[in-house]
Amino acid sequence: GQNIDQPTEMTATEGAIVQINCTYQTSGFNGLFWYQQHAGEAPTFLSYNVLDGLEEKGRFSSFLSRSKGYSYLLLKELQMKDSASYLCAVKVQAGTALIFGKGTTLSVSS
Amino acid sequence: DTEVTQTPKHLVMGMTNKKSLKCEQHMGHRAMYWYKQKAKKPPELMFVYSYEKLSINESVPSRFSPECPNSSLLNLHLHALQPEDSALYLCASRSGPEGTEAFFGQGTRLTVV
Repeated sequence: GQNIDQPTEMTATEGAIVQINCTYQTSGFNGLFWYQQHAGEAPTFLSYNVLDGLEEKGRFSSFLSRSKGYSYLLLKELQMKDSASYLCAVKVQAGTALIFGKGTTLSVSS
Repeated sequence: DTEVTQTPKHLVMGMTNKKSLKCEQHMGHRAMYWYKQKAKKPPELMFVYSYEKLSINESVPSRFSPECPNSSLLNLHLHALQPEDSALYLCASRSGPEGTEAFFGQGTRLTVV
């Protein structure tokens, strides 16, 4: 089966940095995605990694290690609006849909 | 236009009703998906259409029937649903099976009574 693990909940304060980890054991690997989802809304795309290393996009960065089956999403200069669920998703092979982890609910307080 | 539009936004239906969910995109995407999401759970894949052909059906009960009438539209026909089918139904599209970013619609919040 496919297994994607993330912490269930995390808390942080405004202005801080938070790292959300994701580990995966899947039958194949063709890319890892991070999505942000606010309550009652659709997921929105944050980042995509298919090769090892760090991808940076503004306040958000995502890292991938394929040999370790590990990724993290790094959020800097946290803002209240960053309170949301963060979903790690893996595309197991080319042409298939995304398989989602259970998501990490991040609460940012002032 | 980078939108995936789903209608209706909310739907309440009885267990004997027949209804349809609609999804539309005009980005020229050739891969479209239906996901089901229960509260505080991740989206679960239901169906994948690739170039208007059903390529994946994740063992979804036959009371859910997808249809892709053309490259811009994806429907989900509902019949004889159960209360446990109440969920957020999300449509997504990607440029093609090899595409990267998937765009999600806002979802249809379905309640079965």
